[in-house]
Amino acid sequence: SAVISQKPSRDICQRGTSLTIQCQVDSQVTMMFWYRQQPGQSLTLIATANQGSEATYESGFVIDKFPISRPNLTFSTLTVSNMSPEDSSIYLCSVDQAGGPDTQYFGPGTRLTVL
Amino acid sequence: KQEVTQIPAALSVPEGENLVLNCSFTDSAIYNLQWFRQDPGKGLTSLLLIQSSQREQTSGRLNASLDKSSGRSTLYIAASQPGDSATYLCAARSGSRLTFGEGTQLTVNP
Repeated sequence: SAVISQKPSRDICQRGTSLTIQCQVDSQVTMMFWYRQQPGQSLTLIATANQGSEATYESGFVIDKFPISRPNLTFSTLTVSNMSPEDSSIYLCSVDQAGGPDTQYFGPGTRLTVL
Repeated sequence: KQEVTQIPAALSVPEGENLVLNCSFTDSAIYNLQWFRQDPGKGLTSLLLIQSSQREQTSGRLNASLDKSSGRSTLYIAASQPGDSATYLCAARSGSRLTFGEGTQLTVNP
């Protein structure tokens, strides 16, 4: 199974600032995903990050607010821009395990609190 | 649009009980269904994955079934232990997208 790390694990930020979250995988993967989990709620897909092309965003999420980079097959970043308290969530990175049973593996998450 | 529902939202049982968690989905055209465990403040741990062509999967004390035609999956936990206390999430996969349920928060009391 893929081993995924995220940095930072948690952060407390001020309103109006931006935070970039890093996701590193221990093997090359085709597709990487970014999810948001708001307090007390389930996970919602933000976008799919493909290497060499622009990310594909889900309804309700836009690139200006959540720019994503995918420079290679093992790394991706998600930036939460111009933050407000409503952005306080856990942000999780996940990957598809290609060539296997299509299990998705998740990173440990980044807990973001916006004051 | 796929919608996934989990019942019950919370469950508290004494240690040793067998229990069933339920998951239903509205669009039966799924690729697979995956059960996850989430501990407080942590990421997700994959428990079981059932392909759309399969009926069930087992891992240790866990057994997951899938009835695609009726849009249902169940997670059976045998002989529950306090260490099983966590939130259990099911997710239906269509294409590359996972749609998650709200989860069942399980507490197993010693």
